[in-house]
Amino acid sequence: SQTIHQWPATLVQPVGSPLSLECTVEGTSNPNLYWYRQAAGRGLQLLFYSVGIGQISSEVPQNLSASRPQDRQFILSSKKLLLSDSGFYLCASEGEQGDGYGYTFGSGTRLTVV
Amino acid sequence: AQKVTQAQTEISVVEKEDVTLDCVYETRDTTYYLFWYKQPPSGELVFLIRRNSFDEQNEISGRYSWNFQKSTSSFNFTITASQVVDSAVYFCALSEALGGTSYGKLTFGQGTILTVHP
Repeated sequence: SQTIHQWPATLVQPVGSPLSLECTVEGTSNPNLYWYRQAAGRGLQLLFYSVGIGQISSEVPQNLSASRPQDRQFILSSKKLLLSDSGFYLCASEGEQGDGYGYTFGSGTRLTVV
Repeated sequence: AQKVTQAQTEISVVEKEDVTLDCVYETRDTTYYLFWYKQPPSGELVFLIRRNSFDEQNEISGRYSWNFQKSTSSFNFTITASQVVDSAVYFCALSEALGGTSYGKLTFGQGTILTVHP
């Protein structure tokens, strides 16, 4: 089955500082990759998705960017964090795995911008 | 645009009670998938079920059951004989396929916080 490594688990960053969250996937190849964000007390919102290396689609206008430098690596970045960037960020992978086709979420990064 | 509505923000029950979590969705697609996820306090999303739009059979898995009705665009989730360990946030989600076998982008409801008291 697919395994997603997402780090760090928790992050506290000052306003205006840069951000880099990394997600790597094992157990599949050429997956569709997704970044979701969950604001406090709310549902999950899709931020970016990628269907291949270097291919990034943005779902909502925002202060963040995403990159996919390798097939199973997905990075979420910001040059200058805003208070509104605080939230719980989840990476997801969708692809063929040993027991069929699956959609798997990582364990998430809780980001607090102060 | 796709939309998922979970009208129940919070539900509180006593252990052993049955509880139903409602999910209503909107989509123009004829082929789509519906999901339910459980989010315990640790934050990770635990997959519970996936149902495609052509399969309206109800499903039962242990104490969990799901009722999918295309006529009312609903995909409700029932926990029978609830337990304290069922306390969590539950999300219903609707997919928008990117093509091929992809389930695609998920649109989530706002979630229902379920608290089961001993």
